[in-house]
Amino acid sequence: SQTIHQWPATLVQPVGSPLSLECTVEGTSNPNLYWYRQAAGRGLQLLFYSVGIGQISSEVPQNLSASRPQDRQFILSSKKLLLSDSGFYLCAWSRDSSYEQYFGPGTRLTVT
Amino acid sequence: QKEVEQDPGPLSVPEGAIVSLNCTYSNSAFQYFMWYRQYSRKGPELLMYTYSSGNKEDGRFTAQVDKSSKYISLFIRDSQPSDSATYLCAMSYAGNNRKLIWGLGTSLAVNP
Repeated sequence: SQTIHQWPATLVQPVGSPLSLECTVEGTSNPNLYWYRQAAGRGLQLLFYSVGIGQISSEVPQNLSASRPQDRQFILSSKKLLLSDSGFYLCAWSRDSSYEQYFGPGTRLTVT
Repeated sequence: QKEVEQDPGPLSVPEGAIVSLNCTYSNSAFQYFMWYRQYSRKGPELLMYTYSSGNKEDGRFTAQVDKSSKYISLFIRDSQPSDSATYLCAMSYAGNNRKLIWGLGTSLAVNP
């Protein structure tokens, strides 16, 4: 069966510090991968998606970036965090041939 | 007008009640419809997936799609306190790079 991991679960970072969140998927090959941010009252906002290694599409202009160095690894990064980057970050995967997305446990980021 | 509208609630019902959750949408191209359940501080979990119109049943859950009215519903029979969560609808259409358009979620509380 497929499993998706995210870490860390919780993170508190000062403004201006760098960020690296990691997501890995087990039990499947060549998944589509997604990074979302969920803020209270704003629903799920798609940040990035990837259909393959090194292939990243950005949905929202911002100071975040994403990379996919391996087939089942997806990384969300920032060089300098802003207060507005606080939120619940979710990684998801889907099979290349389907629309259903499966989510990881999420990372709660607080920028102070 | 948002592409997907969902009443945020909160919805409070007694244990054993039938719950009806709904989303309306504006894009007639949507063909793929999903319902997710999200417990507090957890990632969303896929509950139901429906393609095009019709009903789908899984245990106590029934998903309905009415494309003529641009309206989807999730029914929960014999609701339990463990059903207390936020329910999100999501949908997509062919050629959208498998990206999902999300409702904001409805908060449900089932009281024992």
